[in-house]
Amino acid sequence: KAGVTQTPRYLIKTRGQQVTLSCSPISGHRSVSWYQQTPGQGLQFLFEYFSETQRNKGNFPGRFSGRQFSNSRSEMNVSTLELGDSALYLCASSFFGTSGSWAQETQYFGPGTRLLVL
Amino acid sequence: SQQGEEDPQALSIQEGENATMNCSYKTSINNLQWYRQNSGRGLVHLILIRSNEREKHSGRLRVTLDTSKKSSSLLITASRAADTASYFCATAPYGGATNKLIFGTGTLLAVQP
Repeated sequence: KAGVTQTPRYLIKTRGQQVTLSCSPISGHRSVSWYQQTPGQGLQFLFEYFSETQRNKGNFPGRFSGRQFSNSRSEMNVSTLELGDSALYLCASSFFGTSGSWAQETQYFGPGTRLLVL
Repeated sequence: SQQGEEDPQALSIQEGENATMNCSYKTSINNLQWYRQNSGRGLVHLILIRSNEREKHSGRLRVTLDTSKKSSSLLITASRAADTASYFCATAPYGGATNKLIFGTGTLLAVQP
């Protein structure tokens, strides 16, 4: 099976612009989660989508949003970019996400999109 | 804020030696997972241990979990240069959504050939 793919891999934007990142989960996975990784704050949960609905949300401002399509692909959008949004954005997919088989709880991560805001 | 704290922050060993990393967390959990990250790339899942398990093995990896102390350790035996990476623990809080992982601060492991 192909792994989680993320596009683009690298992105340079300027303050005030907006950006859209894309994530394609592993085939058959219905849950997609997004994480932000920065040197200062480490890895932080942004949100999770399951069956086209946002199921969980982290503590990020409303400038961060996302959506999921019927084929489970997900996009996240950051509007009005700030310098502090420079980070590695990681997407992870899992099969279902409820308790039970551990395999269903494992999240598989993509290679990430490195965003630089100037 | 991050729930997990990892110790040590950095570890340098020789090939063939064992590496031990520790993780502490703050609240009750459903499970704890360990991930590896090479040079700012994506995370690779290593092993998952559930809250009712005490020890788990996978190849050269051994993970222990002590829920009374809210801590876990990852042991890599007979380390190789290819094991050089950052290692993170991540917890799925009890009663919380399983996919909302809370990551530790990470341990940077350098294995010298």
